[in-house]
Amino acid sequence: NAGVTQTPKFRILKIGQSMTLQCAQDMNHNYMYWYRQDPGMGLKLIYYSVGAGITDKGEVPNGYNVSRSTTEYFPLRLELAAPSQTSVYFCASSYSGQQGNTQYFGPGTRLTVL
Amino acid sequence: AQTVTQSQPEMSVQEAETVTLSCTYDTSESDYYLFWYKQPPSRQMILVIRQEAYKQQNATENRFSVNFQKAAKSFSLKISDSQLGDAAMYFCAYRSEYIMNYGGSQGNLIFGKGTKLSVKP
Repeated sequence: NAGVTQTPKFRILKIGQSMTLQCAQDMNHNYMYWYRQDPGMGLKLIYYSVGAGITDKGEVPNGYNVSRSTTEYFPLRLELAAPSQTSVYFCASSYSGQQGNTQYFGPGTRLTVL
Repeated sequence: AQTVTQSQPEMSVQEAETVTLSCTYDTSESDYYLFWYKQPPSRQMILVIRQEAYKQQNATENRFSVNFQKAAKSFSLKISDSQLGDAAMYFCAYRSEYIMNYGGSQGNLIFGKGTKLSVKP
């Protein structure tokens, strides 16, 4: 298993541009998450999904959108990028059952908005 | 709302010695999970150890062990025989069990701000 994969690894955007951060998992996890990590801070939840077709906002959703058409993929969309969205973005996944409380993380995407 | 506090922004340990990283949390729930994640310079988040709140026995994983004090809401990580490869940011995290059991739709992790561990040769 590849686990949780994310693309791209690095990206520089200009203010006002848009992009999609890709996330995929091959562990058949039904829960997926997007976090952002600002310098010197822990991770904060942006959006999450409990299954295909079901998504909801986390702690810091403004400026982002998500979709979950399949179990495997959970892309994060940035519309009208702003410097405040400069951060490292992590995707994670887990099962929902008794054994599902451990989240597995992707390698992260470092995004800079200039 | 639950919060997680790591009061040590940085720690240092000599190779082969033992170090303890502190973590406290605040919750009104009785059932939950606690985690320590390691983040090396590669930025990958790696699970180190987890503890179920209903278990009195402290979790251990090789050189890593925790001191879980439920009444005090404390969850410290002890690293024994420290190695150069242990140098990283360490994050303490909390997750509610209640949300999982009732099919709740969140179950996200609540993180502390992290402790940067340096290991001296």
